[in-house]
Amino acid sequence: DTGVSQDPRHKITKRGQNVTFRCDPISEHNRLYWYRQTLGQGPEFLTYFQNEAQLEKSRLLSDRFSAERPKGSFSTLEIQRTEQGDSAMYLCASSARGDEQFFGPGTRLTVL
Amino acid sequence: AQSVSQHNHHVILSEAASLELGCNYSYGGTVNLFWYVQYPGQHLQLLLKYFSGDPLVKGIKGFEAEFIKSKFSFNLRKPSVQWSDTAEYFCAVNARGGGSYIPTFGRGTSLIVHP
Repeated sequence: DTGVSQDPRHKITKRGQNVTFRCDPISEHNRLYWYRQTLGQGPEFLTYFQNEAQLEKSRLLSDRFSAERPKGSFSTLEIQRTEQGDSAMYLCASSARGDEQFFGPGTRLTVL
Repeated sequence: AQSVSQHNHHVILSEAASLELGCNYSYGGTVNLFWYVQYPGQHLQLLLKYFSGDPLVKGIKGFEAEFIKSKFSFNLRKPSVQWSDTAEYFCAVNARGGGSYIPTFGRGTSLIVHP
């Protein structure tokens, strides 16, 4: 399968714990995006990378959220000191030079 | 800041009925416009897109959308829906050009097609 992959698919954690999600984009895509999606809403943009450069991060929800893409390939999204309000689906997408985005299956986070 | 409004949150149709889903955006500059679809249990995938040129664009599975710049609209249409069109549909906008680049999605429309 050469699509976008995300790991894990599901994560259950206790409030206050840190979690990290991984996204592997389509290999030739230089752009990578992170979104959050809650029930009944569309994807909410968090941040994006072009190669290893994080070009937009003003929409990260708080300073507890951070993302990296150290070698311009896979990316990680970390949430520190999780809160119950962080429970959501976290989506990753990638694109080539054009704007069409290819989405992964998402990581569903549940914070107890 | 740009925003996207999808007017219909839930639509229920019978097979062979015509479909039109509304999408309006607010942004003063040049935009790229998209419709994405999410079938039950599947990833979001592109249905169609508009970058420039002919404002009537055709996508997969018989869908089309018309960009009306004066109305800031990009409505999705299909003349005759099928049961397999049951899905969640999202309109999205990317601002083109310099400055920030923030893709914005609408909240989605849930379409149920009865056989």
